[in-house]
Amino acid sequence: DIQMTQSPSSVPASVGDRVTITCRASQDINRYLAWYQQKPGKAPKLLIFAASTLQSGVPSRFSGSGSGTEYTLSIDSLQPEDFATYYCQQADSFPFTFGGGTKVEIK
Amino acid sequence: EVQLVESGGGWVQSGGSLRLSCAASGFTFSDFEMTWVRQAPGKGLEWISYISSSGYTIYYADSVKGRFTISRDNAKDSLFLQMDSLRDEDTALYYCLPLMTSGNYFDHWGQGALVTVSS
Repeated sequence: DIQMTQSPSSVPASVGDRVTITCRASQDINRYLAWYQQKPGKAPKLLIFAASTLQSGVPSRFSGSGSGTEYTLSIDSLQPEDFATYYCQQADSFPFTFGGGTKVEIK
Repeated sequence: EVQLVESGGGWVQSGGSLRLSCAASGFTFSDFEMTWVRQAPGKGLEWISYISSSGYTIYYADSVKGRFTISRDNAKDSLFLQMDSLRDEDTALYYCLPLMTSGNYFDHWGQGALVTVSS
């Protein structure tokens, strides 16, 4: 199984900050990677798929990059509604696996 | 509008069984591969099962293999998860999700069905 290691597990940030979250796969996942945002009590929301493709309706301050085993989610100019938990997911092979999550918290 | 309505959750004793259902609408259900993903309280996301659009190809996570059975009824736009030999660690919110046509990603989520297993 492909292990997904997300870091950091939490990041204190302020409105306007740039935040970067990293996801490392235990093997090459060929850019088959998604990022989700989850707010308390809500279902996850797809932000980015195929490592860097922005899902329709997602603000352009979110961006994804990476290849091979290393992937990054960046949030430019953090907004109040961006405080949430973020998960990566590899979509390269079964079983699909998720990272452990990164909570973006108010500093 | 895509809608996914999970039902059948509830409280069950350890070792018991439950059958989850998912009613899909707003898309051509029979064209889409489907999965179940769960989330334990306060924890992360865990993929647990996949079924192809025809129902002929099925995969399970090791954590549920041999205990859970995924199935679908394309005539009724419905997905099912039969859960047997339930354990405390199966306590979670269960989501049924269609795979995107552009890859194994999940762009539509319902409200989930809460399963609570207690000894």
